[in-house]
Amino acid sequence: DTAVSQTPKYLVTQMGNDKSIKCEQNLGHDTMYWYKQDSKKFLKIMFSYNNKELIINETVPNRFSPKSPDKAHLNLHINSLELGDSAVYFCASSQAWASGGSYNEQFFGPGTRLTVL
Amino acid sequence: QKEVEQDPGPLSVPEGAIVSLNCTYSNSAFQYFMWYRQYSRKGPELLMYTYSSGNKEDGRFTAQVDKSSKYISLFIRDSQPSDSATYLCAMPDISNFGNEKLTFGTGTRLTIIP
Repeated sequence: DTAVSQTPKYLVTQMGNDKSIKCEQNLGHDTMYWYKQDSKKFLKIMFSYNNKELIINETVPNRFSPKSPDKAHLNLHINSLELGDSAVYFCASSQAWASGGSYNEQFFGPGTRLTVL
Repeated sequence: QKEVEQDPGPLSVPEGAIVSLNCTYSNSAFQYFMWYRQYSRKGPELLMYTYSSGNKEDGRFTAQVDKSSKYISLFIRDSQPSDSATYLCAMPDISNFGNEKLTFGTGTRLTIIP
C-alpha cells in the first residue's frame, strides 16, 4: 500500500510550458507539503496545507500554485516553466502537531523529477 | 548563512567502519532533531529523531545532540553497504501549530565500500 504517491514520476518539458504534479496520501493525515530538492540535494519547503488551508508559502514565485481539493490531495501547478525549475519535487504528509505532543513524522512521496529544456 | 549546515561530502568508508555525520544549526528555538536517509531516486525517510540534548540509540545508529554548541551527530556502527545513501539532518519549526516546516541540511552522501 503506497502511503504518499506522486504522479508523474518524471516530467520533461519545454521552457514556457505549464505543468501539474499530483500528490495523494492515504494515511489520513491533516497536513501536506511540497518540497523542492535541487541538483545539490538541498531540500527546501515550498508550501504546506493543513486541512485544505494554505499554511506555509515560502517566498515561492507565484508561477507555482498549489491546490488542495481535499485533505488527501495536494497538487502543484507550475506556469511558464523556467530552466531553474528543474529539480525533484517531493510531496509529504504528516499529522498536525499535537500541542505538547511528540513529533509527528513527515512521510515523503517518491518524488517527481522535473526537467525543463 | 543557512540555518542548518551540513558537510555535503561525499564520504566513502570501508564496510564495518564507524561513520560520523554532523550538522550545525543557528536557531536556538529548534528542539527536535531529525536524521533522514534518502536512497538514490527515492524520497527521504525518517531514520531517527531526538528531543533536546543527549543521546539516542537505535540498533547500529546513535544520534547525539549538543544544544549548547548547536551541534548534532549521527553515528553508524558496523557500517554496511546498505547504509550507502544521502543522510539529511532536519529540524522542525514547532513555534506555530500547523506550521511545522522542516529545515534541512544539505545532506551528506555516504558510500560504504564492501
